[in-house]
Amino acid sequence: EPEVTQTPSHQVTQMGQEVILRCVPISNHLYFYWYRQILGQKVEFLVSFYNNEISEKSEIFDDQFSVERPDGSNFTLKIRSTKLEDSAMYFCASSSTGIYAFGSGTRLTVV
Amino acid sequence: KQEVTQIPAALSVPEGENLVLNCSFTDSAIYNLQWFRQDPGKGLTSLLLIQSSQREQTSGRLNASLDKSSGRSTLYIAASQPGDSATYLCAVLSGGYQKVTFGTGTKLQVIP
Repeated sequence: EPEVTQTPSHQVTQMGQEVILRCVPISNHLYFYWYRQILGQKVEFLVSFYNNEISEKSEIFDDQFSVERPDGSNFTLKIRSTKLEDSAMYFCASSSTGIYAFGSGTRLTVV
Repeated sequence: KQEVTQIPAALSVPEGENLVLNCSFTDSAIYNLQWFRQDPGKGLTSLLLIQSSQREQTSGRLNASLDKSSGRSTLYIAASQPGDSATYLCAVLSGGYQKVTFGTGTKLQVIP
């Protein structure tokens, strides 16, 4: 069964550095998403991406964040100048006609 | 704006008990509702998916119901086991760009 793949599973970075989280969505899906879960808190929507552009973003998704679909298979989340409070689990998801799939997440630790 | 609430926030039961977790959502125009399990520090494990046209779904000891008009779903766990201890998340798919809104979660502890 096709699945959403995220790499790396865990990333540690120093405060102020840039990180890129990678995702390979399910190949025939049309919508792509990033969600975030800070430890002990609820899963929050960050951004949705459709037809090669951002379709919706939350207030969390400010200029520090960007998304890109650099080729036909990858979907990336870039976080510039990371802060301690960016430490969280980041989930990628993709969907098509209501069929939704989540990746297993990347745990980002900012030190 | 869709909001999803889960009650109770935490639940502790002795092994073998049947239990019910509740989820409510504010906007009934949904595509589907999904229940997830999350172990501490881990990812999301999908348990059951109910399409908006369905009333319930069953998998093993789990049964999920959906009442879209009242904005409610329940997850019934039969004969609970210590291995069921985890946080259970309700998630609703809605909106033009099919955004998922997660509930606050119910942290379940099953005591041997």
